[in-house]
Amino acid sequence: AQSVAQPEDQVNVAEGNPLTVKCTYSVSGNPYLFWYVQYPNRGLQFLLKYITGDNLVKGSYGFEAEFNKSQTSFHLKKPSALVSDSALYFCAVRVQTGANNLFFGTGTRLTVIP
Amino acid sequence: DAGVIQSPRHEVTEMGQEVTLRCKPISGHDYLFWYRQTMMRGLELLIYFNNNVPIDDSGMPEDRFSAKMPNASFSTLKIQPSEPRDSAVYFCASSWSPRGTRSWDEQFFGPGTRLTVL
Repeated sequence: AQSVAQPEDQVNVAEGNPLTVKCTYSVSGNPYLFWYVQYPNRGLQFLLKYITGDNLVKGSYGFEAEFNKSQTSFHLKKPSALVSDSALYFCAVRVQTGANNLFFGTGTRLTVIP
Repeated sequence: DAGVIQSPRHEVTEMGQEVTLRCKPISGHDYLFWYRQTMMRGLELLIYFNNNVPIDDSGMPEDRFSAKMPNASFSTLKIQPSEPRDSAVYFCASSWSPRGTRSWDEQFFGPGTRLTVL
């Protein structure tokens, strides 16, 4: 069975500091991994994805994520946080073959403190 | 493209009433997904379509829920009769599969419909 865990409901970081939002996954095959962001009263927006290739993936708004197969993790990172990064972040996983379901984590609320 | 369009954006209804949520996917996309988001259960996939055909409806909570996709540019999610526990934000998302594959990439979400059942 596929699942995603986001162990932190809330992450607070000071503006200008690096940020990390954690995600671990469990799949029975090779994973497709995604990060989405949700701003208040908005739908989810795609940030980045890992399909294959380089383990470090760069995405929108200066975000990046590192795929670590041995630790089954896909943590989201940004070198310098902005107040405007404050939002709800979702990690999601899909197996590369078979069912097309996307499994989302429970979300992590990021607050960047000015 | 205007993105995924959902209507209405907000719906308030009374228990027992029929509710119909509407979605227009991005033109050219061949996958359409319906999700429900609540504080308690997070984001749940209800059903998804490929080329207008329902592929997996295992997430539909019960028979009161039904979804249709009569053509490539329109889908509906209907709740009849509605109950207070159906109150949630309902998202529609669409995606496309590269030619020759049955695999899609990232999904594009609509703004959601906030449903309140009194």
